[in-house]
Amino acid sequence: GEEVAQTPKHLVRGEGQKAKLYCAPIKGHSYVFWYQQVLKNEFKFLISFQNENVFDETGMPKERFSAKCLPNSPCSLEIQATKLEDSAVYFCASSQSRRGGRNQPQHFGDGTRLSIL
Amino acid sequence: DQQVKQNSPSLSVQEGRISILNCDYTNSMFDYFLWYKKYPAEGPTFLISISSIKDKNEDGRFTVFLNKSAKHLSLHIVPSQPGDSAVYFCAARENTNAGKSTFGDGTTLTVKP
Repeated sequence: GEEVAQTPKHLVRGEGQKAKLYCAPIKGHSYVFWYQQVLKNEFKFLISFQNENVFDETGMPKERFSAKCLPNSPCSLEIQATKLEDSAVYFCASSQSRRGGRNQPQHFGDGTRLSIL
Repeated sequence: DQQVKQNSPSLSVQEGRISILNCDYTNSMFDYFLWYKKYPAEGPTFLISISSIKDKNEDGRFTVFLNKSAKHLSLHIVPSQPGDSAVYFCAARENTNAGKSTFGDGTTLTVKP
């Protein structure tokens, strides 16, 4: 598609439950990124993929968080044993490969608001 | 340590006037800079970018200026329109297309009719 599609828009989980978020990148984009927005305006990088391979996972919490981008499937971000502090908006973005030596911007989805009760 | 800073949380301008949003960075490895616009309950929308080999990039009403020696960039919107009212984020990347973006905290622009 022409837009990054994130589902669901809003996800509510009780503390300790699992949460799984999905992202369909723009068709033809090789790179996928996940960001977490906890406070109103602060974006925290979590992980990036180049096709189905993890490219950079330096922002991923060591425990409970995992992510995948499998061929012919939406990418996913999964949080095991959720905590109150996981409440945030999770944004997915995708970008094309460099063209003509030029960097390409990341295009964002509308986010999934995760509420942990 | 915040590597990208937008020191003005908010800015209010009159319709038709120029809006100038500022951004400072500390990481000298950044060489690609972007501005995003964000409405509530939506994701950031890409506006304009600039590579470190340039000092200016223009797209319609939007112009981004980069001063590498000062590690400073700015976004000019002229003329400002009420529909420009949104949160504007400055972002920076190191020299890799797959690189993560580091964001500032945003500036809320209000354009008054």
